[in-house]
Amino acid sequence: AQSVTQLGSHVSVSEGALVLLRCNYSSSVPPYLFWYVQYPNQGLQLLLKYTSAATLVKGINGFEAEFKKSETSFHLTKPSAHMSDAAEYFCAVRNRDDKIIFGKGTRLHILP
Amino acid sequence: GAVVSQHPSRVICKSGTSVKIECRSLDFQATTMFWYRQFPKQSLMLMATSNEGSKATYEQGVEKDKFLINHASLTLSTLTVTSAHPEDSSFYICSAQSLRLAEYYNEQFFGPGTRLTVL
Repeated sequence: AQSVTQLGSHVSVSEGALVLLRCNYSSSVPPYLFWYVQYPNQGLQLLLKYTSAATLVKGINGFEAEFKKSETSFHLTKPSAHMSDAAEYFCAVRNRDDKIIFGKGTRLHILP
Repeated sequence: GAVVSQHPSRVICKSGTSVKIECRSLDFQATTMFWYRQFPKQSLMLMATSNEGSKATYEQGVEKDKFLINHASLTLSTLTVTSAHPEDSSFYICSAQSLRLAEYYNEQFFGPGTRLTVL
């Protein structure tokens, strides 16, 4: 079965610093991978997705993620954190039934 | 991108009553809709998948008689929580998917969620 594991339920970075949120996947077939962001009491917004077209995927709000098959990773990065980036981030994989399986989430805190 | 709405955004009800939540795809026809449940500070758990005109498929452990799902049209799915109890209090999120939109083929678009509180 396909799954994702997010390392770190909470991550704190200073404003202007690099953001790195870790995600490892488990899949027997080339996966479809996603990163979503959720602000308090809101639904999910798609940040970016990997569909095998390119290993480095650029998303919205300055985020990007790199698919590394050798490491089974799909970590999310942003060069310079902004206060507005504080939110919950979910890594997810789509399985063969088109169901999206979510990781447990990482809460990103931005320190002034 | 495609827009999905949910109504109501918040609902408070008494224990034992039923609550209906609507999920609408506003500018596209959703061939499939998904319902998720999210407990505080936890991830989203898929409850069921519904295709227009057919019965919903429920995930293991989800009571189909408790959570009634109707997908009567290509733009509307409803989730009814029957005889709600405090343990049903949660954040319910729907998503919609279209196999007909080439630009967004097979991508799920999420609604803003509905906060249910059962007293």
